[in-house]
Amino acid sequence: KNQVEQSPQSLIILEGKNCTLQCNYTVSPFSNLRWYKQDTGRGPVSLTIMTFSENTKSNGRYTATLDADTKQSSLHITASQLSDSASYICVVSYLSGGYNKLIFGAGTRLAVHP
Amino acid sequence: DAGITQSPRHKVTETGTPVTLRCHQTENHRYMYWYRQDPGHGLRLIHYSYGVKDTDKGEVSDGYSVSRSKTEDFLLTLESATSSQTSVYFCAISKKDRGDEQFFGPGTRLTVL
Repeated sequence: KNQVEQSPQSLIILEGKNCTLQCNYTVSPFSNLRWYKQDTGRGPVSLTIMTFSENTKSNGRYTATLDADTKQSSLHITASQLSDSASYICVVSYLSGGYNKLIFGAGTRLAVHP
Repeated sequence: DAGITQSPRHKVTETGTPVTLRCHQTENHRYMYWYRQDPGHGLRLIHYSYGVKDTDKGEVSDGYSVSRSKTEDFLLTLESATSSQTSVYFCAISKKDRGDEQFFGPGTRLTVL
């Protein structure tokens, strides 16, 4: 069964600290993996996308990694800011019947405290 | 929110009443989607459209219907709302297919009493 699991479910860190969020998937055949940020009361916004051949992608203080062999991805946030408080959603795209389909993880809720 | 608006933003209704949610885009993107988001679940696809009058079911389509008569508008209708349809509904758009980057609207919070 195609699944995307994220851990931890929630996380609290102090401003300025680093953190790493995990995403494990069992989706096949893999097409790409995106990380989205969702602020409270808003729609998700794409942070990064990685295809099978990419193992690292950065977007400012956000760095995503992908290990296609173990089917794991991580999102590392450096020098966290209060504005990083949000849910982070891992989304995996796979091919089915010749079309791309998506599976969304349930997300990790991050709270950055001063 | 990438030129996507949803209306209404909040709605409270009673079981058995019909409800229509509207999604409007100004990006002229071909693909449009309706998702629902519930605590403990990832976003789940209800229906999507790949062009005017071209729609298809997602993974949780029971109890929902959609229509797309213009490129910019995608309507989601709950013919007879049930309490299990209490959720936050997101519209999204993309230029190409579902594997392409999707841009999300601000969401509609629907409560069915």
